Amino acid sequence: EAQVTQNPRYLITVTGKKLTVTCSQNMNHEYMSWYRQDPGLGLRQIYYSMNVEVTDKGDVPEGYKVSRKEKRNFPLILESPSPNQTSLYFCASRERDEQYFGPGTRLTVT
Amino acid sequence: QKEVEQDPGPLSVPEGAIVSLNCTYSNSAFQYFMWYRQYSRKGPELLMYTYSSGNKEDGRFTAQVDKSSKYISLFIRDSQPSDSATYLCAMRDTGRRALTFGSGTRLQVQP
Repeated sequence: EAQVTQNPRYLITVTGKKLTVTCSQNMNHEYMSWYRQDPGLGLRQIYYSMNVEVTDKGDVPEGYKVSRKEKRNFPLILESPSPNQTSLYFCASRERDEQYFGPGTRLTVT
Repeated sequence: QKEVEQDPGPLSVPEGAIVSLNCTYSNSAFQYFMWYRQYSRKGPELLMYTYSSGNKEDGRFTAQVDKSSKYISLFIRDSQPSDSATYLCAMRDTGRRALTFGSGTRLQVQP
């Protein structure tokens, strides 16, 4: 089954404690991205990757890092989380304009 | 002003109604248009995509694009309670691979 998986699904953490959200896809897609979804603002792209070792900033990259060492994995790293990063995060992978989203990670930073 | 505007709703309709969901956009470079459906506590899933002005039909769903007016619509015929979800429009231009999303319209179909 074609899918994008994310872990963890729910995370509550404190300001400044580094965290990583993992993302993996089994469709051999080259293009992967991370979004955050906030009420009234919709989905906003954080970072994207065109292929292994090729990443670039999206619309809201501040406070986030990513890496793409393997084609299937695209982790999102928050080095020093802050409360304004409390949000619902989605990983996605894409072939042409068919984009597949993961189930989401709800992050709360206190 | 946002590049893509979408009424947040909620839009409540009785089962069997025809539903019209709309987005307007300001960037004339947008050429590719998609509609996603997002159920509560789930990731968005692609419903339809279209690259040209006019209508595209898929079962009970019809996507309509009017590039001259910068306006896109999704019509749902014979709406069902299972159609209750948030519907997101998305679009991109030829130069960028990133999608720009609307904020979503919440639809409730009452049985």
